Amino acid sequence: ETGVTQSPTHLIKTRGQQVTLRCSSQSGHNTVSWYQQALGQGPQFIFQYYREEENGRGNFPPRFSGLQFPNYSSELNVNALELDDSALYLCASSFKGGTGVAGELFFGEGSRLTVL
Amino acid sequence: SQQGEEDPQALSIQEGENATMNCSYKTSINNLQWYRQNSGRGLVHLILIRSNEREKHSGRLRVTLDTSKKSSSLLITASRAADTASYFCATQGGSEKLVFGKGTKLTVNP
Repeated sequence: ETGVTQSPTHLIKTRGQQVTLRCSSQSGHNTVSWYQQALGQGPQFIFQYYREEENGRGNFPPRFSGLQFPNYSSELNVNALELDDSALYLCASSFKGGTGVAGELFFGEGSRLTVL
Repeated sequence: SQQGEEDPQALSIQEGENATMNCSYKTSINNLQWYRQNSGRGLVHLILIRSNEREKHSGRLRVTLDTSKKSSSLLITASRAADTASYFCATQGGSEKLVFGKGTKLTVNP
């Protein structure tokens, strides 16, 4: 186990709704990244938060937004859900020191979102 | 877009045999990482190899990196049924994001 916990584990939404997914980082980590994994595909980078600020974003529209809290936990919010948003959403925590990249990521078990 | 491409897409072997998976990528990297994923669950980090390293070992795992060919391989020796999973390579350049391939699905038959 990595110590990264995500909630909820499964949820079903309808098109147009909004969803919030939550993640608690591993102790000692200061960076949280979110990835979307469609069925049969590799994870795709959504964005990363470091010191409560967005620190890099992948090719996802603005309706994907996030937050990182002072205790390094994080939320992923998706507005105006579309059918293609159905996927496994993975949170990963890591430690980033100074100007270096974070390196190894520790993943949670994911939140599986189904949009009907 | 996915930078890493794993090969083969699927691999089926008998327990005790070795499994080799390959990964090719397109742009320069800071490091390359291999992850394992059991069906529908989170990813587990296996090994990280930096761009200035050529080979790395961890238990039954051996990873090689050839930056001139932009390729890496993961060898699992003496495979076990519990090694059945999907294996992903992921590259990290100058930014924070990891770019994953589509993965190799490994089945180890008892």
